[in-house]
Amino acid sequence: AQKVTQAQTEISVVEKEDVTLDCVYETRDTTYYLFWYKQPPSGELVFLIRRNSFDEQNEISGRYSWNFQKSTSSFNFTITASQVVDSAVYFCALVTASGGSYIPTFGRGTSLIVHP
Amino acid sequence: GAGVSQSPSNKVTEKGKDVELRCDPISGHTALYWYRQSLGQGLEFLIYFQGNSAPDKSGLPSDRFSAERTGGSVSTLTIQRTQQEDSAVYLCASSLKGNRPGNTIYFGEGSWLTVV
Repeated sequence: AQKVTQAQTEISVVEKEDVTLDCVYETRDTTYYLFWYKQPPSGELVFLIRRNSFDEQNEISGRYSWNFQKSTSSFNFTITASQVVDSAVYFCALVTASGGSYIPTFGRGTSLIVHP
Repeated sequence: GAGVSQSPSNKVTEKGKDVELRCDPISGHTALYWYRQSLGQGLEFLIYFQGNSAPDKSGLPSDRFSAERTGGSVSTLTIQRTQQEDSAVYLCASSLKGNRPGNTIYFGEGSWLTVV
């Protein structure tokens, strides 16, 4: 069975603060993919990043960075110098290579509120 | 189209009525997914299509829910005899090929269903 845990239900920060959103996953497969999505108030989930289990390199994209650590089964997401437009619900998702249907399992999401 | 298109955007229906929700995936995407998101909740998997067939219907919550896909493109999710607990956002997503675990899935803006 696979599982994604986003323990932080809601995070509130003031603009320009750095914030880290946690994602812990469980799977017995050695081949899997991890994703982060952003869901702004409009409702559409926007793809942010995909990482496969064989690539533990951290990634930085502008103010966004991701830290993938297989040793702790975590794929955390950090926003540097947060902005009001970052306010959204962020979802972490896992897809494993077994089973054949590759249905993404999502965490419950973390609601980020950035105050001006 | 450029993205996943869903209709209607919003639907208010009376308890006991049937509703149909439509999804038009990204052109060329063979895999299509339906998820449900209740207020403040995570994403609940409903059904997955690979082409016109549905190898995984495990998430459909009851026999009042059904879905079909024709021509390998448009999909319709039907809820019969709606109940108030069916009120949620119904999200459709598609990916290039469902039989590859690394494919990114792209979401539509959702259909907001309210049963009164």
